[in-house]
Amino acid sequence: DGGITQSPKYLFRKEGQNVTLSCEQNLNHDAMYWYRQDPGQGLRLIYYSQIVNDFQKGDIAEGYSVSREKKESFPLTVTSAQKNPTAFYLCASSLDLPSGGYNEQFFGPGTRLTVL
Amino acid sequence: AQSVTQLDSHVSVSEGTPVLLRCNYSSSYSPSLFWYVQHPNKGLQLLLKYTSAATLVKGINGFEAEFKKSETSFHLTKPSAHMSDAAEYFCVVSGVDYNQGGKLIFGQGTELSVKP
Repeated sequence: DGGITQSPKYLFRKEGQNVTLSCEQNLNHDAMYWYRQDPGQGLRLIYYSQIVNDFQKGDIAEGYSVSREKKESFPLTVTSAQKNPTAFYLCASSLDLPSGGYNEQFFGPGTRLTVL
Repeated sequence: AQSVTQLDSHVSVSEGTPVLLRCNYSSSYSPSLFWYVQHPNKGLQLLLKYTSAATLVKGINGFEAEFKKSETSFHLTKPSAHMSDAAEYFCVVSGVDYNQGGKLIFGQGTELSVKP
């Protein structure tokens, strides 16, 4: 089955630690995205990538880092510089960055990160 | 710049009655519009999308939405609610905003409750 997988489903971190969230897709999509979701809020874009070895900051990139070494993979690192990292993190992909706005994004199941 | 406003943070209906979730958008260009659904602790699933074709868009699970340019609205409806429709619904706009790579702009979400 084609889709997007995220792991782990739940993640606990101590303050001051970096942690990496995994996102893999087998849809052969060019573009991938990371969003953060907080209770009662819509999704906010952290980073996105249109092509391997290239990525762009979204609206709330501070305290996060990403890499795109393979088309299928777009891991997100939450660093100790992120002041309030407890949230639900969603990865998504689309055929390409929608210059015409037509390509919908497909979402993974999410990772819930809790900082203890 | 694009923006989207979901007019109700919470909607409660009885099973078998109609559902109306309201969404207004703002866009300098002809937008693409989407409705996504999110069940608790899950990723987002696309319900339907508008991409400048027919103004009445039919989606999955009996949902539909009508694009009204004069009212800048894209309300989501369903004739008869089912218990399984209880979830969070997001209205999303993707305009021709090349500086932002055509990123999606999410509304704050509407939580739909369905009473037996």
